[in-house]
Amino acid sequence: RKEVEQDPGPFNVPEGATVAFNCTYSNSASQSFFWYRQDCRKEPKLLMSVYSSGNEDGRFTAQLNRASQYISLLIRDSKLSDSATYLCVVTYQAGTALIFGKGTTLSVSS
Amino acid sequence: EAGVAQSPRYKIIEKRQSVAFWCNPISGHATLYWYQQILGQGPKLLIQFQNNGVVDDSQLPKDRFSAERLKGVDSTLKIQPAKLEDSAVYLCASSFGTGGTEAFFGQGTRLTVV
Repeated sequence: RKEVEQDPGPFNVPEGATVAFNCTYSNSASQSFFWYRQDCRKEPKLLMSVYSSGNEDGRFTAQLNRASQYISLLIRDSKLSDSATYLCVVTYQAGTALIFGKGTTLSVSS
Repeated sequence: EAGVAQSPRYKIIEKRQSVAFWCNPISGHATLYWYQQILGQGPKLLIQFQNNGVVDDSQLPKDRFSAERLKGVDSTLKIQPAKLEDSAVYLCASSFGTGGTEAFFGQGTRLTVV
């Protein structure tokens, strides 16, 4: 079983749509959780951290379910500029490296 | 604030040749990572340094890959000899403190082995 699993997509949605990405992780001791965004042929950049209480940043909402070892990202009112690959990331413990999923590709069309 | 600097941006070599990549992290960042990203995959950790010490190199193919961060600042990743399957983007990232927090990535070096 892979450490961090994501549906690779692609997700093709029209502008204005709401889209949700899911991610599961295998290590129940995982401590930190993030969503990174990677544009085509660019480096990954932090989109948002994911907290146990859930968190929202504008049109983006991240949720964490530790019992189910599940992380989600919801994007509301999709924009063309949201087209990218979204990477689910976990760390096992403080001081350790970020473990990346394969990424989910989103394509928003007009 | 300057970001993570990497060079070269692109490199094409023949199999069995050697190649080296350089990375200069964000000033003050104690933790430095090298990741390998194959097309269609997420980044895979090769090695993690904290200052000039190795924290995790469990996924580094040590028969052909080596990395160093001698003065705890910039770092070099070397491949010798290269194989076709080493074709990938090599990403350097750094984070403040001991790691496990937000990492900032450089633009990467795109390696093609022919």
